[in-house]
Amino acid sequence: GQQLNQSPQSMFIQEGEDVSMNCTSSSIFNTWLWYKQDPGEGPVLLIALYKAGELTSNGRLTAQFGITRKDSFLNISASIPSDVGIYFCAGRSFGNEKLTFGTGTRLTIIP
Amino acid sequence: DVKVTQSSRYLVKRTGEKVFLECVQDMDHENMFWYRQDPGLGLRLIYFSYDVKMKEKGDIPEGYSVSREKKERFSLILESASTNQTSMYLCASSLGGTSGQNIQYFGAGTRLSVL
Repeated sequence: GQQLNQSPQSMFIQEGEDVSMNCTSSSIFNTWLWYKQDPGEGPVLLIALYKAGELTSNGRLTAQFGITRKDSFLNISASIPSDVGIYFCAGRSFGNEKLTFGTGTRLTIIP
Repeated sequence: DVKVTQSSRYLVKRTGEKVFLECVQDMDHENMFWYRQDPGLGLRLIYFSYDVKMKEKGDIPEGYSVSREKKERFSLILESASTNQTSMYLCASSLGGTSGQNIQYFGAGTRLSVL
């Protein structure tokens, strides 16, 4: 099945730095979701986006639904140790009950 | 809050055993999903159910079957476990219908080791 292109695959940053990651698709989506997975746990929803151009924040996290409907971006400001984990994007096309997932971005914070 | 509960966090089974992974959701969701997650491969859909007794194959259904006898429960069955089925298994559920806000909620996962 299709997977979204998510980049970067991994990031090594220092505490306090800002983080940016993105997902691109060859298909148009009408919903973009961003999840975070802590080690040994299931993914937890961070932000949901439903309209092209939409910019939504959740605390230090900000995500955008790309104008072309084929991409989305997630930014984390002033990273802290609990931000460590794997971040997944997921897209859903209209009328489709299934999600298409990105391959994930593994975030590591260097002490 | 939506709660998706997977019956086991860790399982160790032997090659050839029949394995049942159970998932229960408490939000009256129509849709339920089983994924497996392997390093570098992301989440891959095994099976999907959109109603009781209804199922649809995902991207990697070979070696698996599912059962949904009640709306809240979705079981993944490995008929004869093999070592290449060692993985993290994730269950999810979503509301269903034509709503544009069809978010999937995940369980904590079952880490299965087949020896």
